[in-house]
Amino acid sequence: KQEVTQIPAALSVPEGENLVLNCSFTDSAIYNLQWFRQDPGKGLTSLLLIQSSQREQTSGRLNASLDKSSGRSTLYIAASQPGDSATYLCAVFSGNTGKLIFGQGTTLQVKP
Amino acid sequence: DADVTQTPRNRITKTGKRIMLECSQTKGHDRMYWYRQDPGLGLRLIYYSFDVKDINKGEISDGYSVSRQAQAKFSLSLESAIPNQTALYFCATSDSPGAQPGNEQFFGPGTRLTVL
Repeated sequence: KQEVTQIPAALSVPEGENLVLNCSFTDSAIYNLQWFRQDPGKGLTSLLLIQSSQREQTSGRLNASLDKSSGRSTLYIAASQPGDSATYLCAVFSGNTGKLIFGQGTTLQVKP
Repeated sequence: DADVTQTPRNRITKTGKRIMLECSQTKGHDRMYWYRQDPGLGLRLIYYSFDVKDINKGEISDGYSVSRQAQAKFSLSLESAIPNQTALYFCATSDSPGAQPGNEQFFGPGTRLTVL
């Protein structure tokens, strides 16, 4: 059974710092991995999607990497801003079932 | 206009009542999903549908039913609501695996349901 873990559960950093959020998964047979952002009480916004054949994806100040063999993904946020404060969720898509398996999320606070 | 919409956005109801949550999408995707989110438990899949005639149970389907009225519409029903169904409910859509980018899921804004 696929399990997704995100560490740490919460992170507080000063504005301007570069930071890394971690995601690990137990079954390396994934189709893709997706990173989401969720603001309190709001829906999920898709940030980046990495296909299983890819090693990384970039969007603006965000860079996500994928290492299938070790069951790990990282989300790198450069030059963090207070507006980046949110919960970040990673989810893996295993096989052709249509099911995304989510981690518990990392809640990020960027202090001005 | 939002690509994935959910109605209502907030609902308070009483134990035993029948509730329907509705989801509509304009993305033209075949696949639609219903999730619930609970503090400490994350997001869990309730039901999913690959097309109008294909509906599948997810991890936690007990106490729920769904209807796929059209490609663009997917409804979730609680036949007799109970307090532990209090949660944030999300609808999502995705394209079929053969398409690019394929399988990226897009979420609606959520429905906050409280069962008293």
